[in-house]
Amino acid sequence: DGGITQSPKYLFRKEGQNVTLSCEQNLNHDAMYWYRQDPGQGLRLIYYSQIVNDFQKGDIAEGYSVSREKKESFPLTVTSAQKNPTAFYLCASTDAGGYNYGYTFGSGTRLTVV
Amino acid sequence: QKEVEQDPGPLSVPEGAIVSLNCTYSNSAFQYFMWYRQYSRKGPELLMYTYSSGNKEDGRFTAQVDKSSKYISLFIRDSQPSDSATYLCAMSDGGATNKLIFGTGTLLAVQP
Repeated sequence: DGGITQSPKYLFRKEGQNVTLSCEQNLNHDAMYWYRQDPGQGLRLIYYSQIVNDFQKGDIAEGYSVSREKKESFPLTVTSAQKNPTAFYLCASTDAGGYNYGYTFGSGTRLTVV
Repeated sequence: QKEVEQDPGPLSVPEGAIVSLNCTYSNSAFQYFMWYRQYSRKGPELLMYTYSSGNKEDGRFTAQVDKSSKYISLFIRDSQPSDSATYLCAMSDGGATNKLIFGTGTLLAVQP
């Protein structure tokens, strides 16, 4: 079955540590997105990529970094510069121009700072 | 002012009730409108998609778009406890920004 796989499902980070969230899709989608979800704030866009080796900052990119070396993969690194990283992180993908018809989302990674 | 406004709820209704969920928006360029359903600790799943103004029906769900009022709605008939979830509206302008704009979501609880 085609879909988006996010791993791990739960992640714990110590203060000052960088962590990487994985997002892999086998839908042959061109565009991929990372969102952060906090209670009462909806989905906030972190980074997005429309093509391999290219990506753009979203609304809240500070403290995060991404790479897009392969079409099917779009990992997100939460760096120590992100002061409040505890949140639910969602990865999504769509065809080029397919955002008009909606994204396919992964099942999310819940990151907690300990 | 946010581009998309959505009442966060929570909205609690008895089983079998008709549920009305709504979003308002400010950008007249929005042409494509979607509703997502998100169960707790899961990713959102696309429920309904509508282009421009009008109605779309799928089983117990009806999506309405009124572009003149910049107002979209999702109606759920004969609501079931399994409909309990957060409902997110989303919309796009068809090309200028290459991304969806989401509402904050409305938490719905259907009581058995």
